[in-house]
Formats: sequence, C-alpha cells, structure tokens
Amino acid sequence: KQEVTQIPAALSVPEGENLVLNCSFTDSAIYNLQWFRQDPGKGLTSLLLIQSSQREQTSGRLNASLDKSSGRSTLYIAASQPGDSATYLCAVPLSSGSARQLTFGSGTQLTVLP
Amino acid sequence: SQTIHQWPATLVQPVGSPLSLECTVEGTSNPNLYWYRQAAGRGLQLLFYSVGIGQISSEVPQNLSASRPQDRQFILSSKKLLLSDSGFYLCAWSTGGGYNEQFFGPGTRLTVL
Repeated sequence: KQEVTQIPAALSVPEGENLVLNCSFTDSAIYNLQWFRQDPGKGLTSLLLIQSSQREQTSGRLNASLDKSSGRSTLYIAASQPGDSATYLCAVPLSSGSARQLTFGSGTQLTVLP
Repeated sequence: SQTIHQWPATLVQPVGSPLSLECTVEGTSNPNLYWYRQAAGRGLQLLFYSVGIGQISSEVPQNLSASRPQDRQFILSSKKLLLSDSGFYLCAWSTGGGYNEQFFGPGTRLTVL
C-alpha cells in the first residue's frame, strides 16, 4: 500500500525567502507525481506533474524534483510572496489496482508573512 | 480550454435526507471523472471514479452512490445522509487512458445536521 508523507505539516516564512516542501512515498514504482495547491475552502489547483522519467519540472517560481529511487519529491518556491500562502499537497497514483487512483499526502500549510 | 463545475457550492442537510451533487466538465470528451471527499483534519479520499458513461467504480463502502448519465456529467447521491457524510466533496477529471494529470473543481461543502 502506497503511503505519502509531507513534512513539515506547517511552515511560516517571511516574504522573499526561498523555501522547500518535502514529499516522500513508500513505493517507488510510481508513474508520476503531482503537486497541488489548495486555498482555504477551495478546490485543488494543479501546479506541476512530474513523469517518472523526469527529474525536474519548472513553472515560473516553482520547481519540483523527483527522486524515485529514494521515494522523494521536493517543491521549491523561489522568492516567496504572501499570495503563495496555501496548503500544498503532493499525490501519486497507486502502484497496484486501478491506475487512476491518487494517494495524497496530508499537505504542508504554508504562510508567507508580508 | 477545459473547465469543471460543481454545484451547489454549499449545502446544509438534515440527517436522513437525500443528496444530489453534480459535476460537469466542459471542453473535453470522454474524460475520466472522480469524486473525492476531504473531511476535516483528514486527507483526500477517493470515493468513486468513472472511465465512461454508466461505468462507475467504488473505492470505499458507504451509503453514497455515483452515476454518470452523460459523458461529461458526474453525480454523487445518497438516499439517506449520515452525520459522517459531512465534508468537502471534490470532483476531478483527467484525460482518458493511463496516469494523467487530474484537475479539480471548486468543491461542495456539505454539512449534515
């Protein structure tokens, strides 16, 4: 059974800092890994999808890396802004059973202070 | 571009009442569709998914059901709500075939009293 863990559970940083969010998974036989953002009371916004054959994926100030062998992914946010405050979730497809199910981490709640 | 809609946005229902939540997707054909629940203090749990009209797979035994009457319409239902059904219900879609990126709707906040 795939388990996804995100550390830290909460993070508070001053505006302008670069920061790293961590995601680890127990079964390295994944097909891809997806990072999401969730604002309070809202749905999930897809940020980045990294295929298993990729090591990095970038979108603007966001950079996600994937190390399948060690079961880890990181989301790097450069020059953080108060608008980046949200909960960040990572998710991977199950390695067995239906290929379409995602297993989610519990998220990292980020607060960027002005 | 593709968009996904959910309604209602919020719902307060008494225990034992029926439920119908609707999700529709625009701008794509034959999507995979998903219903997730996010309970307070808990992660996202996949409830149902569908790869085509009338094709529903259930992931968690419960008193909820799902239907897909049209290609881009996904409905979550219950005949009698329980207190434990309270939560934030999210619909998502992905292109068919394989392990594709999932895109989520705005969600429905359900409170059962």
